[in-house]
Amino acid sequence: GAGVSQTPSNKVTEKGKYVELRCDPISGHTALYWYRQSLGQGPEFLIYFQGTGAADDSGLPNDRFFAVRPEGSVSTLKIQRTERGDSAVYLCASSFLAGTSTDTQYFGPGTRLTVL
Amino acid sequence: GQQLNQSPQSMFIQEGEDVSMNCTSSSIFNTWLWYKQDPGEGPVLLIALYKAGELTSNGRLTAQFGITRKDSFLNISASIPSDVGIYFCAGQRGETSGSRLTFGEGTQLTVNP
Repeated sequence: GAGVSQTPSNKVTEKGKYVELRCDPISGHTALYWYRQSLGQGPEFLIYFQGTGAADDSGLPNDRFFAVRPEGSVSTLKIQRTERGDSAVYLCASSFLAGTSTDTQYFGPGTRLTVL
Repeated sequence: GQQLNQSPQSMFIQEGEDVSMNCTSSSIFNTWLWYKQDPGEGPVLLIALYKAGELTSNGRLTAQFGITRKDSFLNISASIPSDVGIYFCAGQRGETSGSRLTFGEGTQLTVNP
């Protein structure tokens, strides 16, 4: 596709459940980023991948959050034992090559997660 | 987590007016960016600034990278109804400190026709 796509667009789950959020980056982009955006706030960094490896996961809030990118393309953000405070929009972005001075991140539309 | 200090939080203006918003940080960034976000969408890049003191335009938008590398502003001239949305500044430290973006809290712009 032409842009970053994310599925599902909306996810409603119950407290304590496990969820997976998927991101398809722009074709050819080697870097992939996850951000979380709470209501009325700017996006906050969670993790970024350069290829298959997590280059920086220091934004993950705790060990209930985990992300993978096994083939260097699609990424899945996994949240275990969800809590109401996890409710937010989860944004994915990709860029051609991380670390360059002109590395532009292109964002997907996000997945709105609601934990009841 | 850390966010940049962005102001104002919201603006209500008449079509045709100019607007200005700014962003400050307690630490240095090597790249400053301005994004616009519409409801239900991800942020879309408007302008990127790569050098301290740089002044860059994109149509009716003008942005500057502060000389101290701790601030940036965005001006929109002759506003139109489709300028409505939330504007975010973002800083990036770059090669030595990673590619993550640090965002401001956003400026909600409303344009009355």
